[in-house]
Amino acid sequence: DAGVIQSPRHEVTEMGQEVTLRCKPISGHDYLFWYRQTMMRGLELLIYFNNNVPIDDSGMPEDRFSAKMPNASFSTLKIQPSEPRDSAVYFCASTSWGATEAFFGQGTRLTVV
Amino acid sequence: KQEVTQIPAALSVPEGENLVLNCSFTDSAIYNLQWFRQDPGKGLTSLLLIQSSQREQTSGRLNASLDKSSGRSTLYIAASQPGDSATYLCAKRRAAGNKLTFGGGTRVLVKP
Repeated sequence: DAGVIQSPRHEVTEMGQEVTLRCKPISGHDYLFWYRQTMMRGLELLIYFNNNVPIDDSGMPEDRFSAKMPNASFSTLKIQPSEPRDSAVYFCASTSWGATEAFFGQGTRLTVV
Repeated sequence: KQEVTQIPAALSVPEGENLVLNCSFTDSAIYNLQWFRQDPGKGLTSLLLIQSSQREQTSGRLNASLDKSSGRSTLYIAASQPGDSATYLCAKRRAAGNKLTFGGGTRVLVKP
């Protein structure tokens, strides 16, 4: 397996634009997590899914953020409209229920100017 | 209050010295704890996973211990090398189907 795959790796956008981040989890994993990493706040959980269903979205900053998982092999995180304070590295991770490791993608570095 | 804490935030050691990285957690409910390494501008690489029923895990020069009663995990890296320079993060999972909660990380510099 190629691991968790995120795209794009880098995204630069103007304030007010819509941004969509994509993630393909490891095949067979039934949990998918979206994290955001900043210097000030470290790694924060935004939302996670189990079997494509959102379980905990309490970390989603505000209504501008939304996430979907239409099937077991794909998830998106959308920011609309984007703001400069959304600039961060966004990570996707996947794992299975039980005593297994979580694996992270390489992240998407988002810059909103 | 931070649920998972890593102190110190940064550490510098000469090459060859053993590294001791600390991770403490306030919530005693733990399913497993995972240590990660992150290089600048890169993603997180899993190093070791310790289940709540285990006391330690070893992989090469790395050894991680878990003491649930005191709410601590320690990552030991023997005979450090400049290539070990990175940020090390611990993450705790409270239950089997639960999220990972991360510490703030310890940034390590191993000087040649």
